[in-house]
Amino acid sequence: AQSVSQHNHHVILSEAASLELGCNYSYGGTVNLFWYVQYPGQHLQLLLKYFSGDPLVKGIKGFEAEFIKSKFSFNLRKPSVQWSDTAEYFCAVTRVNTGKLIFGQGTTLQVKP
Amino acid sequence: KAGVTQTPRYLIKTRGQQVTLSCSPISGHRSVSWYQQTPGQGLQFLFEYFSETQRNKGNFPGRFSGRQFSNSRSEMNVSTLELGDSALYLCASSLGAKNIQYFGAGTRLSVL
Repeated sequence: AQSVSQHNHHVILSEAASLELGCNYSYGGTVNLFWYVQYPGQHLQLLLKYFSGDPLVKGIKGFEAEFIKSKFSFNLRKPSVQWSDTAEYFCAVTRVNTGKLIFGQGTTLQVKP
Repeated sequence: KAGVTQTPRYLIKTRGQQVTLSCSPISGHRSVSWYQQTPGQGLQFLFEYFSETQRNKGNFPGRFSGRQFSNSRSEMNVSTLELGDSALYLCASSLGAKNIQYFGAGTRLSVL
């Protein structure tokens, strides 16, 4: 069965520190990959997506992610986090041509000012 | 353009009752998916509808059902509620299966 694993459940960083959140998925076919963010009290929002092409994708608010097919990974990065990045981050995958998103368990990021 | 609208936002029910949740997708979106979010299990896929047809189904018991209307609005029904059904139920809409899913704010269901 398809699954998504996020390496870190809870990350605490100081402002200006660099961020990398790990995500691995298990599915051998072609997939679409996503990172969603849920700020406190708000709904899920798309940070970035990968469908095809350049494996390095850029999203909103300075986030980027790299798809490494050989490692089944889609890690999220940001060079310098801000207090406003405090949120829960979810990696998700779908098989191509389905609307069934499989989510990782989420990573809570706390940024200290 | 209005986002995905879910009603009601909050709901309190007792065990054994049934509940219906509603989702209005973004205008023009034909695909609606439902998810359950709990602290223990995270975000789990319930089902997906496209053009009034259920296209995918997650691993939930038959007490969980849904439907989609010709205007793409969708409802989710849970019968014979159990305490474990307490969760945030999220609806997402997209233009089609290949497109990005946009989420609503959710309906928080508490079963007492």
